[in-house]
Amino acid sequence: GESVGLHLPTLSVQEGDNSIINCAYSNSASDYFIWYKQESGKGPQFIIDIRSNMDKRQGQRVTVLLNKTVKHLSLQIAATQPGDSAVYFCAEKTLGNEKLTFGTGTRLTIIP
Amino acid sequence: EAEVAQSPRYKITEKSQAVAFWCDPISGHATLYWYRQILGQGPELLVQFQDESVVDDSQLPKDRFSAERLKGVDSTLKIQPAELGDSAMYLCASSPRDGTDTQYFGPGTRLTVL
Repeated sequence: GESVGLHLPTLSVQEGDNSIINCAYSNSASDYFIWYKQESGKGPQFIIDIRSNMDKRQGQRVTVLLNKTVKHLSLQIAATQPGDSAVYFCAEKTLGNEKLTFGTGTRLTIIP
Repeated sequence: EAEVAQSPRYKITEKSQAVAFWCDPISGHATLYWYRQILGQGPELLVQFQDESVVDDSQLPKDRFSAERLKGVDSTLKIQPAELGDSAMYLCASSPRDGTDTQYFGPGTRLTVL
């Protein structure tokens, strides 16, 4: 079946450095992608999203890049802070289907 | 900032008992979702409501799980009887009527079945 997966389960980054979290998806019909941040004991928090007609979208300190050719999605966090430590999930959906399919998640640890 | 509300935040129960979780979506959001998240994994959809109607419950174990959204606003998810494997985080999410795809999650209910 279709799946959304993450390349690395854990990532440690020095505070102030930039981080990149990667995500691979397999459904070529996926048209919407979203990144969530989940802190321990809390629900997923929306970070940024992107539609398949775009290849880049920027938010505050975050950038999402979409490469449809290789079915790859990445989340870049600039100037990381201790509060960025969390598990990050990518999720995708297809046109006409409201169901979000989540990946396993990457745990990002910011080293002070 | 409007948020999805859930209660209780934590629930400990013994197997074979009944449990219920409540969710109040962001005001005006037509679509409501219940997810189950096992530790270390991403959320998995259990049921989706559009207003008061179920639009997807294909992953809901209907022999023991039930969900309702009688007035199209808040929702209840019930498990009866609970089993050890039901221990997980139960998340509620909602999305607006304007067709945007973003789902906003509540804080979740952490269920432990002993």
